[in-house]
Amino acid sequence: EADIYQTPRYLVIGTGKKITLECSQTMGHDKMYWYQQDPGMELHLIHYSYGVNSTEKGDLSSESTVSRIRTEHFPLTLESARPSHTSQYLCASSAGLAGLTDTQYFGPGTRLTVL
Amino acid sequence: AQTVTQSQPEMSVQEAETVTLSCTYDTSESDYYLFWYKQPPSRQMILVIRQEAYKQQNATENRFSVNFQKAAKSFSLKISDSQLGDAAMYFCAYSSDSGGGADGLTFGKGTHLIIQP
Repeated sequence: EADIYQTPRYLVIGTGKKITLECSQTMGHDKMYWYQQDPGMELHLIHYSYGVNSTEKGDLSSESTVSRIRTEHFPLTLESARPSHTSQYLCASSAGLAGLTDTQYFGPGTRLTVL
Repeated sequence: AQTVTQSQPEMSVQEAETVTLSCTYDTSESDYYLFWYKQPPSRQMILVIRQEAYKQQNATENRFSVNFQKAAKSFSLKISDSQLGDAAMYFCAYSSDSGGGADGLTFGKGTHLIIQP
């Protein structure tokens, strides 16, 4: 398995709380991604980054925000959690070799429940 | 926009038998990548196999092989000698080779594979 980590693995919180989901990789990968996996298991890209100080929105609109201050770290933040944010969040990374698509490696995921 | 369709929500196979999971996709691009990922229950998503669209030869990884039909936009996964550890959700995924554009994966809805002992 790839060296990409997510914490916490499970989180149950109340509405209105601010939360940060952590994602770290030790592979030196430039590209990192966040996917949201709904209860029906479908996955959608919500954020991605090409490298430090780069962040882009994905295909699925999300109220979350991301930052990329260090190569290895790509946290996702929800300023005010709502029940509609209940989902599994998967982080991934890839080497991003000079414009070529490369294989994405996934973290174990964070299962978020907002009450 | 690209779309990926997996028409089999669930498949069941006897241990040691062979099973084929279907995937079709829609794209107007000529260069792209296709993947099969496996997600066991409560475990990490892992890559099973990948195929570059410019390669005519079908990819193979041990018991896993694909049947890539570019003209038909079809990318099926064959699992030979099925094992209990193969039980998982299998996702077909597409990524464009857009040279700097967004290259996140577009996933199908997944196929739940059950292995009967």
